[in-house]
Amino acid sequence: KAGVTQTPRYLIKTRGQQVTLSCSPISGHRSVSWYQQTPGQGLQFLFEYFSETQRNKGNFPGRFSGRQFSNSRSEMNVSTLELGDSALYLCASSLVTGATGELFFGEGSRLTVL
Amino acid sequence: QKEVEQDPGPLSVPEGAIVSLNCTYSNSAFQYFMWYRQYSRKGPELLMYTYSSGNKEDGRFTAQVDKSSKYISLFIRDSQPSDSATYLCATTGGGTSYGKLTFGQGTILTVHP
Repeated sequence: KAGVTQTPRYLIKTRGQQVTLSCSPISGHRSVSWYQQTPGQGLQFLFEYFSETQRNKGNFPGRFSGRQFSNSRSEMNVSTLELGDSALYLCASSLVTGATGELFFGEGSRLTVL
Repeated sequence: QKEVEQDPGPLSVPEGAIVSLNCTYSNSAFQYFMWYRQYSRKGPELLMYTYSSGNKEDGRFTAQVDKSSKYISLFIRDSQPSDSATYLCATTGGGTSYGKLTFGQGTILTVHP
């Protein structure tokens, strides 16, 4: 069974640009969550989608947005990139519809902002 | 103060040693507890999952949760060099906390032959 797939794996952008990251969840998983991982702040929750609806959102500015498609695939977008947005962005999917925390992570998209 | 505190280490042990990793948390609403293992340049891998207080064993790994003291532990028996990774504790309160896990900072473990 294929795991969570994230693309691209690595990307370099400059300040002010925008970026879109893609995530394909494990087959049958309808909940998709996004996290930002940095050495200083660790893993921080961005948002969660289920059946194309955002059910939960973390404390990130409006420059961070996401969406989910009818096939459960998800994208996240960061506009007007800042140096501090350099991080590993992780997508996780869950089979469970409730908030019980069994998340399965992809390998991440490593974003570098110059 | 962070909601979940975890000693970042690093922790270095010889092969075959018993490893103890610990976290404390402050929010009494947390009721689901997880341990993730993250190898370098990879995403976190779900290792252990427990609900409420108690012990759970899976092979060489044992997870313990003591809600009365807000303490989470992971024990690794007969540690192997392949166990060298960052171990992250995580927790959530359920309810409407969809997708949101609160993570510890992670403990870097090295098991040397």
